[in-house]
Amino acid sequence: GAGVSQSPSNKVTEKGKDVELRCDPISGHTALYWYRQSLGQGLEFLIYFQGNSAPDKSGLPSDRFSAERTGGSVSTLTIQRTQQEDSAVYLCASSPYPGQGRVEQYFGPGTRLTVT
Amino acid sequence: AQTVTQSQPEMSVQEAETVTLSCTYDTSESNYYLFWYKQPPSRQMILVIRQEAYKQQNATENRFSVNFQKAAKSFSLKISDSQLGDTAMYFCAFYNAGNMLTFGGGTRLMVKP
Repeated sequence: GAGVSQSPSNKVTEKGKDVELRCDPISGHTALYWYRQSLGQGLEFLIYFQGNSAPDKSGLPSDRFSAERTGGSVSTLTIQRTQQEDSAVYLCASSPYPGQGRVEQYFGPGTRLTVT
Repeated sequence: AQTVTQSQPEMSVQEAETVTLSCTYDTSESNYYLFWYKQPPSRQMILVIRQEAYKQQNATENRFSVNFQKAAKSFSLKISDSQLGDTAMYFCAFYNAGNMLTFGGGTRLMVKP
C-alpha cells in the first residue's frame, strides 16, 4: 500500500515568510508525528497527534511553529516568520495504534526547508 | 528523559563481511521498545528492526540481528553479508509511553566493493 507522503519535497523561502508543510499518513494509522532533522541538532521530536486527543506539542521549539491534523488524517506543519535556523529536513511519521503495542513509526521522505 | 548514544560516527565494511553498530541508552523505564532505522541518501527513514524490552530473545530480520543487553542498556545491530545497498546512515531509537522516538546521533556506514 501507499506509504507516508510529504509535500513539497523541497522548499526555499525567504527569512520572515510563512511556510506550510504537508503530511499524508498511511491510511488507517491513528498516530502522526513530526520530527526535524538538522546538522547541529540531529533528529528532534516536534509534535504528536493520536486520534482525537489533544496533540502533544512539547517538542515545538517556539510559538512560531504550529500544526494541525484534519479529519484524523492529513497534517500541516506551519512555520511563521521563518528564520535561518529553521532550515532543516522536516520528517513526518505515522503509526498504527501505539496503545496496542503497534508502535513502529513509518516515515515519509521529508521536506527539505531552506531559509535564505 | 531518555538518551541514546551511538559512539561510532562512521564505519566501513567490505562487501559480504559482517559489521556491528553500537548503541547504548539511558532510561529509568522498564517497558520500552528499541529500533534501528536506516536512512539512505534518498533521505527516507526505513525501519530495519525492532526489539521489545520485555523479550529476552534477540530480534532478527534476514541479514539483520540485534544483541540486546537490557542490564547493560546496550542494543547493537549486526549486519551479515553486507551489501552495497546497506550503505546509509543508521539510527538507533528508543520509544516508551512518552510516545515519541528518541534518536541517537547516527552511524554512517559505508559498504565497500
